[in-house]
Amino acid sequence: QQQVKQSPQSLIVQKGGISIINCAYENTAFDYFPWYQQFPGKGPALLIAIRPDVSEKKEGRFTISFNKSAKQFSLHIMDSQPGDSATYFCAASFYSGGYQKVTFGTGTKLQVIP
Amino acid sequence: KAGVTQTPRYLIKTRGQQVTLSCSPISGHRSVSWYQQTPGQGLQFLFEYFSETQRNKGNFPGRFSGRQFSNSRSEMNVSTLELGDSALYLCASSSMSEVGRAFFGQGTRLTVV
Repeated sequence: QQQVKQSPQSLIVQKGGISIINCAYENTAFDYFPWYQQFPGKGPALLIAIRPDVSEKKEGRFTISFNKSAKQFSLHIMDSQPGDSATYFCAASFYSGGYQKVTFGTGTKLQVIP
Repeated sequence: KAGVTQTPRYLIKTRGQQVTLSCSPISGHRSVSWYQQTPGQGLQFLFEYFSETQRNKGNFPGRFSGRQFSNSRSEMNVSTLELGDSALYLCASSSMSEVGRAFFGQGTRLTVV
């Protein structure tokens, strides 16, 4: 119930195209859904995050779509660029026992080709 | 504000040896979590420390242990290294003011030969 299922495992997109990564969860107690971006040789860094009281959040070319009833959320990268090539992790967290518990998805390796 | 610092960045050890990895969190962050990252396995949660106490633990054997000091710096120890322990070990810190957000270090790349 603590799992977050992420798909696809890898993704190849043409420059200028839309990259879409999906995540699904079971635990309805999750109340914070961040996406992390990781470049080779670096640690993951927070990219964008959403709370379940909104259905969409947009920051530049990055958008999170959130479907509370389906328990799914997705990351959309518009006008994908070669510099977006990285591994993306979704995550979900909730407050329990006095602190936030975080669960990560298994990651999606995105390659944007020129 | 300095980020999360992990040392060393790279490490090569022989099977059967033990290793200690270090993590200095962002100043003011009292929570430190450790993750193992291997290709295809994503981020596997090892454990989390808060104010020198382990408050959450993942499904790893007892060879993996950790501790946190009064200044919030944390160490992770792996004893009797196995080839399968080769991975990127990531440390993340977080604060009460940014609930749910983790700040990761660059990781320590451990290779067991």
